[in-house]
Amino acid sequence: AQSVTQLDSHVSVSEGTPVLLRCNYSSSYSPSLFWYVQHPNKGLQLLLKYTSAATLVKGINGFEAEFKKSETSFHLTKPSAHMSDAAEYFCVVSENSGYSTLTFGKGTMLLVSP
Amino acid sequence: SQTIHQWPATLVQPVGSPLSLECTVEGTSNPNLYWYRQAAGRGLQLLFYSVGIGQISSEVPQNLSASRPQDRQFILSSKKLLLSDSGFYLCAWNRDRGPYEQYFGPGTRLTVT
Repeated sequence: AQSVTQLDSHVSVSEGTPVLLRCNYSSSYSPSLFWYVQHPNKGLQLLLKYTSAATLVKGINGFEAEFKKSETSFHLTKPSAHMSDAAEYFCVVSENSGYSTLTFGKGTMLLVSP
Repeated sequence: SQTIHQWPATLVQPVGSPLSLECTVEGTSNPNLYWYRQAAGRGLQLLFYSVGIGQISSEVPQNLSASRPQDRQFILSSKKLLLSDSGFYLCAWNRDRGPYEQYFGPGTRLTVT
């Protein structure tokens, strides 16, 4: 069985400061991991994905995440927050075992103040 | 490139009325298709998934049903809506091979009154 824990339900930052959204996972297999972003009343957009090719993954809009197997973590970072980054972020795990459904974290709401 | 459409974008329906939400995918063939519901403060809940025409798996017992009449068309239905059916409904697709990331449609906001 697989699970995802997003350690913060809300994160508040000021524009121009770094962003850190924390995610821990549990999986019986070598997982694939994803981060999605959802703006209000919009669908989920894939930010980045880890598929074992490289532990540091770069995504869209300046986001990146580092896969740390020893810590079972996949934290999302961005050096400098922008007002348009305010949204809900979901960490997601897939076990890659044949047909696979995804397991979603409960989400972290990122608030960006001017 | 692939595109996923959902309609309608918003819907207000009275309790006891029927429901039909449609999702279509362009630019790919034989996708896996999914219906999710996102209720306020309750995260993303997988309702149904389909790996092929006429093949539907239900994850949560409820008064909703799904159908896949064509390869790239997925429909969510109800004969009689309940207040608890209100929420944001998302359709998604992925390929039947790793790493299995899913691509989401724009969603339908359903309010049952």
